[in-house]
Amino acid sequence: QQQVKQSPQSLIVQKGGISIINCAYENTAFDYFPWYQQFPGKGPALLIAIRPDVSEKKEGRFTISFNKSAKQFSLHIMDSQPGDSATYFCAASFEAAGNKLTFGGGTRVLVKP
Amino acid sequence: EAGVTQFPSHSVIEKGQTVTLRCDPISGHDNLYWYRRVMGKEIKFLLHFVKESKQDESGMPNNRFLAERTGGTYSTLKVQPAELEDSGVYFCASSQWTSGNTIYFGEGSWLTVV
Repeated sequence: QQQVKQSPQSLIVQKGGISIINCAYENTAFDYFPWYQQFPGKGPALLIAIRPDVSEKKEGRFTISFNKSAKQFSLHIMDSQPGDSATYFCAASFEAAGNKLTFGGGTRVLVKP
Repeated sequence: EAGVTQFPSHSVIEKGQTVTLRCDPISGHDNLYWYRRVMGKEIKFLLHFVKESKQDESGMPNNRFLAERTGGTYSTLKVQPAELEDSGVYFCASSQWTSGNTIYFGEGSWLTVV
């Protein structure tokens, strides 16, 4: 049973456009929701993260929107650039479980010039 | 500061053979995690060390997998005997005990069992 569901599996966006990736979770014990960015041949790297006491967090062109009642969160990449082409993973964790991450299935984003 | 390093980066072995993957966490990081991604699936948790102690090994698929962390420093993950379904990329990650939730990943060890 997958506890964090991510969609879409892949996404193609034009340079300058907005990329939107959605995730839904089931376990209400989760209290930390990071997004990881992974380039081919590299490991996942933390991009941005949010806790459930806020509804939105913005860092540069990346924004997380969080809806606690719906148990959903999303990543918005504004003004998408070719260098943003990568696989993005949402994840969730909680401290009582040792902060182990439960990942979504990943979204391959391709930004066309 | 060096990141999480993993060795080997790629390994091709035959079914039934043994493979040992090594992870060197970021210096000073007490938490060490192993994750795995098999083709087309999500990244899945395998186990968690706090220093040299296994905190959580609920994700280990079966007793063919053995993880150790000698002296609370580097860790090894041994697969013996390897099966075809063990193919995938194995990630090691680490974090400080007091830094909250930021977990840093290595580049992964790609394992192919033929």
